[in-house]
Order: sequence, then C-alpha cells, then structure tokens
Amino acid sequence: DVKVTQSSRYLVKRTGEKVFLECVQDMDHENMFWYRQDPGLGLRLIYFSYDVKMKEKGDIPEGYSVSREKKERFSLILESASTNQTSMYLCASSFFRLGSAEAFFGQGTRLTVV
Amino acid sequence: EDQVTQSPEALRLQEGESSSLNCSYTVSGLRGLFWYRQDPGKGPEFLFTLYSAGEEKEKERLKATLTKKESFLHITAPKPEDSATYLCAVQAGTGANNLFFGTGTRLTVIP
Repeated sequence: DVKVTQSSRYLVKRTGEKVFLECVQDMDHENMFWYRQDPGLGLRLIYFSYDVKMKEKGDIPEGYSVSREKKERFSLILESASTNQTSMYLCASSFFRLGSAEAFFGQGTRLTVV
Repeated sequence: EDQVTQSPEALRLQEGESSSLNCSYTVSGLRGLFWYRQDPGKGPEFLFTLYSAGEEKEKERLKATLTKKESFLHITAPKPEDSATYLCAVQAGTGANNLFFGTGTRLTVIP
C-alpha cells in the first residue's frame, strides 16, 4: 500500500520559533511536494523536489524553506513562524513521468502558531 | 494563467439522489486531470486520473468524465459515507509533475 507519513498530526508553536515538518514516503517516488490548505483558497504549492538535494519554489514559498537529503524524506522548515502560517500542511509524493503522475498525500499536519 | 474552478461549493443530497460535481479548467497543455476525496482533518485520497477528452473512469458509485474544458464527477445513488470534499486538480504544461487544485466541492449526503 502507498504510504506517505507526516511526523505530526497537530502542532502548536509560538511566533518566532523555527518549525520543522517532516515527511517520509516508502514508494521510491522521485517527486515530493509540500502544500498548505486554507479554507476558500484550496491547496497551494509551497515547494517541490524532483530529486535528492533538488528543490523548486511553488506558488507561495515566502517564509518557508525545504530540505531533501534522502530520497524518501522531505522536510518543510518555517524559519520564524508567524500567525499567518497557521494552516493545514500536506505532504505528497509521486513518480517522475514526462506525462502525468498522480500524487499520494499524507494525513496532514494542523499547525497553529500563537 | 492556469485556472481550475469547481462548482458547486457545497452540495446536499438525500441518500439515493444522484447528482454531478463540475470541474472546469483553463490550462495550456493539459497532461492529466485528477479527482481526490478528502475527509475532514485528513489528507486527500486519490480517486481517478483522466488524460484525454472522452475518457471515463468508474469506481463504485463514482464516475468521472472529461471534455476539453471540464470534468464531471457523477455520483449515483449516494450513501452517507460518500460525504466528503471532492477535489479536482490538473497537471499542465511541460516539466514538473506538480498539481494545481480547485477549491473543492463539499458533499453532504443525508440519510
């Protein structure tokens, strides 16, 4: 079975803290993605990676960074958390294909910044 | 600019009352259109991929269709357990396999 695991379901952090969200996939997928989901705005892409140590900015990268040191693991880092980063964060992975490839999602991390 | 619009935003159905959800898209070079189901507080669950106009896919009470401008998710005789938010997403253009999502349709099926 396809498995994408996010390290936490719920997190509460203080403004200004450095926050790490971890994601691991066991499907040997090349692509990994971080999205945030907000009511009325849908899922928006923060960053993605198509290979180890490779990263590309998505639509809303400001205030975030990522790390991919191993193929199965993709980390999202909030350098200095702010209240407007309170959101549901979703990690996904897929095979790299020239055509199209469905993505599989983790269970999500609900982050609250106070 | 790529755009994916889902309608309606919310839909309430009686159990057994069939209906359709719409996903219209404006993208350059569609490579794939995807349907996902999302339960509250959980990540999206993959349902279907459609690649070209005229294609159809079925799974239990769900049937997805694709035209050159939109996709429909038909729900036949829904049950309360079909209640969820249904998300549509596209891959377009060249290069990366990232998905561009609509905002979803929240379906409630009343017993």
